[in-house]
Amino acid sequence: QKEVEQNSGPLSVPEGAIASLNCTYSDRGSQSFFWYRQYSGKSPELIMSIYSNGDKEDGRFTAQLNKASQYVSLLIRDSQPSDSATYLCAVEESGGSYIPTFGRGTSLIVHP
Amino acid sequence: SAVISQKPSRDICQRGTSLTIQCQVDSQVTMMFWYRQQPGQSLTLIATANQGSEATYESGFVIDKFPISRPNLTFSTLTVSNMSPEDSSIYLCSVGGQGGSAIYNEQFFGPGTRLTVL
Repeated sequence: QKEVEQNSGPLSVPEGAIASLNCTYSDRGSQSFFWYRQYSGKSPELIMSIYSNGDKEDGRFTAQLNKASQYVSLLIRDSQPSDSATYLCAVEESGGSYIPTFGRGTSLIVHP
Repeated sequence: SAVISQKPSRDICQRGTSLTIQCQVDSQVTMMFWYRQQPGQSLTLIATANQGSEATYESGFVIDKFPISRPNLTFSTLTVSNMSPEDSSIYLCSVGGQGGSAIYNEQFFGPGTRLTVL
């Protein structure tokens, strides 16, 4: 069974710091990786997708992928209290199913 | 990205009854999905709603319990049948392959329906 693992947290960081969220996955052939942000009581919102090894930056967010280690991470620079949310990692299985497997999410708290 | 709406946004239902949740998208999309998210848990895929044919259900979910319709490329319904308290959850529709994007595997979620079964 394909698995996506995340530390449930909460991860607590001070405002202005870098928040580092990590995710590991079991399917070595996975090709597509996503980070969703979910505020309490709201639905998930796609914030980053990454498909090749290395870093991908978008504003304050950087996704990092290491397929050899089966590891994907999300860095949030200059964290703000508004970044406080649950961050879901999603990994698409090999074979082109177009349906990702979601992790349970990491709760991030950014305190002033 | 497409604008996705769901109705109802929330409901409280009695055991043994059924509820139909609607998902409407403001543009044609290739793929539509239905998920369930229980408190403190991640997203669990119920089924892929296929336009013009029967939905594709994931392990543990059956058509008799969760019938799905998809009459066109912008609309789908999920019915939760013969409900029990264990069906209390948030139900989410999501879409992919929208707007001419070739990135079919990026999914975008509707606002969700919060269901409580007494």
